[in-house]
Amino acid sequence: GAGVSQSPSNKVTEKGKDVELRCDPISGHTALYWYRQSLGQGLEFLIYFQGNSAPDKSGLPSDRFSAERTGGSVSTLTIQRTQQEDSAVYLCASSSIGYEQYFGPGTRLTVT
Amino acid sequence: AQSVTQLGSHVSVSEGALVLLRCNYSSSVPPYLFWYVQYPNQGLQLLLKYTSAATLVKGINGFEAEFKKSETSFHLTKPSAHMSDAAEYFCAATGAGSYQLTFGKGTKLSVIP
Repeated sequence: GAGVSQSPSNKVTEKGKDVELRCDPISGHTALYWYRQSLGQGLEFLIYFQGNSAPDKSGLPSDRFSAERTGGSVSTLTIQRTQQEDSAVYLCASSSIGYEQYFGPGTRLTVT
Repeated sequence: AQSVTQLGSHVSVSEGALVLLRCNYSSSVPPYLFWYVQYPNQGLQLLLKYTSAATLVKGINGFEAEFKKSETSFHLTKPSAHMSDAAEYFCAATGAGSYQLTFGKGTKLSVIP
């Protein structure tokens, strides 16, 4: 079946602009995760959604970052007033039970 | 809190040689452990997972890993490296009842013809 998809694959934006990154999880997966992969920090957890429960936002680095998940499926990660340190690859993953997280191809964000 | 350490940010092996990528975890309780592989400009692909069943876990592409509680290790091995194995490998852990994956820094594997 289809895997996790993310769009856009690449995004270049100017410092100070807002960006939205989209994730389509595997159909039927109730859990959705966002991670950030950067050269300096490696892979970092950002946020977790499970069903209709309140999301775990403990990994979001600042209040410029937010995410929502509509209808228990598609998720959007929004970064407001982007900074150069936000440049990274943003990875989305989904899972059902069993802790196996399946990752999408990522969105490479470059802030100029 | 979990922590995962991967020894060696870069490992080079000859084609046909043994691949050994090291991973140690820090946890007060046995965690769930995973190895993921990332090819250039792609996402992470699950190679194998340990979830407290058999300590020797076999994964895809001929890889396997052994959970050793006494050494808090979960090293990844493959008997004979292939050129297509060249990629970056990440060890990750999560605790029982948890979901957040804690990743190691990654090991880039190069395979020399």
